[in-house]
Amino acid sequence: GAVVSQHPSRVICKSGTSVKIECRSLDFQATTMFWYRQFPKKSLMLMATSNEGSKATYEQGVEKDKFLINHASLTLSTLTVTSAHPEDSSFYICSARAESSSYNEQFFGPGTRLTVL
Amino acid sequence: GENVEQHPSTLSVQEGDSAVIKCTYSDSASNYFPWYKQELGKRPQLIIDIRSNVGEKKDQRIAVTLNKTAKHFSLHITETQPEDSAVYFCAASLNTGNQFYFGTGTSLTVIP
Repeated sequence: GAVVSQHPSRVICKSGTSVKIECRSLDFQATTMFWYRQFPKKSLMLMATSNEGSKATYEQGVEKDKFLINHASLTLSTLTVTSAHPEDSSFYICSARAESSSYNEQFFGPGTRLTVL
Repeated sequence: GENVEQHPSTLSVQEGDSAVIKCTYSDSASNYFPWYKQELGKRPQLIIDIRSNVGEKKDQRIAVTLNKTAKHFSLHITETQPEDSAVYFCAASLNTGNQFYFGTGTSLTVIP
């Protein structure tokens, strides 16, 4: 089946630093990837849609300058949390839509737990 | 945008009993409704999905029903087992854009 990886799985950083999270589709091409944020015991909140070769589409209330998304290739999207603060601490999950699969099907990465001190 | 509500937030059942989780959505244009199971600290796993041209779908102990008129859909798990214990999320999606909007989740506990 389709596999999506994320790196790193956990990251701890100091307040004010920037953190980059990678999302890779390992065995398929994905023109569209999605980034979600999940607080403990809460739902997945869609942050943005990452489109290969074009700008990401952000959901209402998500700061695009805070959460930079780059989808440079058909297998890689990156999320950079800039000038991170403790309130940015969360579980970040990406998903990818395979070009060859059902148009609705998404495959999720294992998530990245970000802790900002 | 789409708004998905999910109930109950927590559910405890005895092993062997059935569990039902309900979701409502707001956008009548939504046409794809997946259900995901998520264990603590792990990725969501698709367990079943249904499209708007179908009213019911079943896969062994799991079934999903959809009422387009009322804009609600439900997950039914029969003969529950302790390994069914997890958080379950419903989602709604439109064909255009394909973004998933998730419900608030249901923490299911199956008591042995």
